[in-house]
Amino acid sequence: NAGVTQTPKFRILKIGQSMTLQCTQDMNHNYMYWYRQDPGMGLKLIYYSVGAGITDKGEVPNGYNVSRSTTEDFPLRLELAAPSQTSVYFCASSVQGSYYEQYFGPGTRLTVT
Amino acid sequence: KNEVEQSPQNLTAQEGEFITINCSYSVGISALHWLQQHPGGGIVSLFMLSSGKKKHGRLIATINIQEKHSSLHITASHPRDSAVYICAVRLYNNNDMRFGAGTRLTVKP
Repeated sequence: NAGVTQTPKFRILKIGQSMTLQCTQDMNHNYMYWYRQDPGMGLKLIYYSVGAGITDKGEVPNGYNVSRSTTEDFPLRLELAAPSQTSVYFCASSVQGSYYEQYFGPGTRLTVT
Repeated sequence: KNEVEQSPQNLTAQEGEFITINCSYSVGISALHWLQQHPGGGIVSLFMLSSGKKKHGRLIATINIQEKHSSLHITASHPRDSAVYICAVRLYNNNDMRFGAGTRLTVKP
């Protein structure tokens, strides 16, 4: 199993551009998550999904959109990128919710200039 | 004040020392996670706790729900344990998560 994969690894965007960060897991996990990690700061939850067709906001959803059309894929869309969205983005998945460990992807480093 | 506080922020130890990292939280939770972030950036889940104590190899994690406090212990520390250790809580009755800022551990040979 590849686990959780993310693409791209690195990306530089100009202010106002849009892009989609891809996340795929091959473990048949129901729950998937998107986090951002700013330099020197803790991770923050952006969006999560408890199954195909179901998504919900986390702590910092503004400026992002998600969809979950399949169990495997959970893309994160940035519309009108802003410098404040410069961060490292991690996708994660778990079998279910509270009582199961999360498996993290390798991260996408995004710079908005 | 952050909902999840970790201490210390930075910790330097000599190989073989016993390490303790603390996590306090101020919200109702359904579970607490300890994560390890490697120097290259990758994140690995170490423990998930809802009560009591768990042990995996040289790592021990405990949680006191009444005091809203958890500790991560590393026995016989080794340079390969050098990493950032992150405490995270899942909010009660919710799937939202809150994270501590992390404890950077350096173990010197």
